[in-house]
Amino acid sequence: EIVLTQSPDTLSLSPGERATLSCRASQSVGSGYLAWYQHKPGQAPRLLISGASSRATGIPDRFSVSGSGTDFTLTISRLEPEDFAVYYCQQYGSLFITFGQGTRLEIK
Amino acid sequence: QVQLVQSGAEVKKPGASARVSCKASGYTFNNYAIHWVRQAPGQRLEWMGWSNAGSGNTKYSQNFQGRVTITMDTSATTAYMDLSSLKSEDTAVYYCARDAYGFGWFQDYWGQGTLVIVSS
Repeated sequence: EIVLTQSPDTLSLSPGERATLSCRASQSVGSGYLAWYQHKPGQAPRLLISGASSRATGIPDRFSVSGSGTDFTLTISRLEPEDFAVYYCQQYGSLFITFGQGTRLEIK
Repeated sequence: QVQLVQSGAEVKKPGASARVSCKASGYTFNNYAIHWVRQAPGQRLEWMGWSNAGSGNTKYSQNFQGRVTITMDTSATTAYMDLSSLKSEDTAVYYCARDAYGFGWFQDYWGQGTLVIVSS
């Protein structure tokens, strides 16, 4: 099973600032089979980006990803109030899908 | 538009079984797999398994040791997740989600979630 470790656990920033979230895999995620989700309390998770770089429908271009192999980064260029949530990375390159533990992005 | 509507909250006793349903609409049911993902209080999202009615393929997480079964009713375009031998640690919100490509990849549409509480 591929273990995903996200850092930091919590990130405190202000609207307008840049957010950088990290996701590290215990082994290489084949062909960039990594997705990112945004999760707000009481709501279903929302797909942001898949295949390591393809934004889902309706996701603004302030969300971007980089990385390959075992190290991936989600960047939010300028935080909007609605961006404060928990973010999960997910790998689907192996038989058993796994999620990271999440990074909580909170308003400073 | 794609919609996944799940059944309502349940309270179960330890050792019992729970069934959560997921009614799909707005797309061709047999063309896409359905995943089940849960989130226990204060925990990360946990993938449970997926099933594709069209291909007949199903895959389960090893973490549930045979306690989870996913079935697909194509006539009703509804997916079911059965979890047996319930323990208090199974208290969680259970989500169904559509696989974007039909073969065990990422999920593009999610149900609203179903709270299952396991308590004596």
